[in-house]
Amino acid sequence: QVTLTESGPALVKSTQTLTLTCTFSGFSLTTSRLSVSWIRQPPGKAPEWLARIDWDDDSYYSTSLRTRLTISKDTSKNQVVLTMTTMDPVDTATYYCVRGSIFASGGYYLHYFDYWGQGTLVTVSS
Amino acid sequence: DIQMTQSPSSLSASVGDRVTISCRASQTIASYLNWYQQKPGKAPTLLIYSAVISESGVPSRFTGSGSGTDFSLTITSLQPEDFATYYCQQAYSSSVTFGPGTKVAVK
Repeated sequence: QVTLTESGPALVKSTQTLTLTCTFSGFSLTTSRLSVSWIRQPPGKAPEWLARIDWDDDSYYSTSLRTRLTISKDTSKNQVVLTMTTMDPVDTATYYCVRGSIFASGGYYLHYFDYWGQGTLVTVSS
Repeated sequence: DIQMTQSPSSLSASVGDRVTISCRASQTIASYLNWYQQKPGKAPTLLIYSAVISESGVPSRFTGSGSGTDFSLTITSLQPEDFATYYCQQAYSSSVTFGPGTKVAVK
């Protein structure tokens, strides 16, 4: 079955760089139409998508955070890594690693998030 | 970015009630709309994709409708396990965005 597990520090200081690792199983990121995204959710708020990397190495970033984010993958280890620079207390959130799939029908392609990790809470101290 | 809004932000309902949640996009997104359910302390789970297609294993009481800018999620007969927060998410843009959520609480 598909599983995704996030790992990284639970606490970082303001201005530091956060590095999170997603280790997954049950699928390969070399399979067409699959991707892995990072999504975060501040306490009591809606999810916010951060970044995505596709099976073909294409990557995408949140418009508002793109200057601070880097996403990469190691297909041999089944891992995806996210780095976020210049952390601030407003970045305190649960960070999720999420698999994405593409629904395709007659030239129509839609991306959706079908498997989520359990999430890791990252607290940023000032 | 495309902005998503949901209404109501919360509602109270009883088991067996029919519940409808609305979602609106700030620009047309065709059918590029997904719905998720989230229970406290858990990650969201996919309910509906492409506005109307139910994810495998999702009970038939959950139905999605709409296209363009206006969408809805209907639970035809609310069950105890359905008390949760529901989020819509647009997939029209590669920079996806979620709605603010609708919390369905016990009346």
